[in-house]
Amino acid sequence: KQEVTQIPAALSVPEGENLVLNCSFTDSAIYNLQWFRQDPGKGLTSLLLIQSSQREQTSGRLNASLDKSSGRSTLYIAASQPGDSATYLCAVRNSGYSTLTFGKGTMLLVSP
Amino acid sequence: DAGVIQSPRHEVTEMGQEVTLRCKPISGHNSLFWYRQTMMRGLELLIYFNNNVPIDDSGMPEDRFSAKMPNASFSTLKIQPSEPRDSAVYFCASHPLRGYNEQFFGPGTRLTVL
Repeated sequence: KQEVTQIPAALSVPEGENLVLNCSFTDSAIYNLQWFRQDPGKGLTSLLLIQSSQREQTSGRLNASLDKSSGRSTLYIAASQPGDSATYLCAVRNSGYSTLTFGKGTMLLVSP
Repeated sequence: DAGVIQSPRHEVTEMGQEVTLRCKPISGHNSLFWYRQTMMRGLELLIYFNNNVPIDDSGMPEDRFSAKMPNASFSTLKIQPSEPRDSAVYFCASHPLRGYNEQFFGPGTRLTVL
């Protein structure tokens, strides 16, 4: 059974710092991996989707990498801003017809 | 596209009452998911449909919970009778069956059972 772990559970940084959020999964035979952002009281917003054949995806200041063999993904946020404060969730799909397995998220606070 | 639409956004009810949550997936998405999120348990998958057919309902906590998808553009999640421990945020999500399966979430329904 796939298990997804996110470390750290919470992170507080000053504005302007580059930071890395970690996601690990136990079954490396994945189909794709998706990073989401959730603001308090809101739904989940898809940030990046990485297919199993890809090593990384970029969107603006966000870069997500995938190392299937080691069962890890990282979300890199460059030049963090207070508006980046949210909970970031990682989710893994094991096949094209399976469901997502979510981590419990990393709560990020960027202070001005 | 308006994205995944859920209604109501907030629901407050008394224990024992029937609650119906509604979802309209993104047009063209033929997989639909219902999740529940609480502080204690995080995000849990309750049930999902492919092409309007329930595929896996093993996450549905009890017989008090039921879900239907009568057509490609509408799904309901019903709780009858509701209990205080059902209080949570319920999310609906959808994605296409083919392609990258990028999943998109609705804004959620915050349910409070008194």
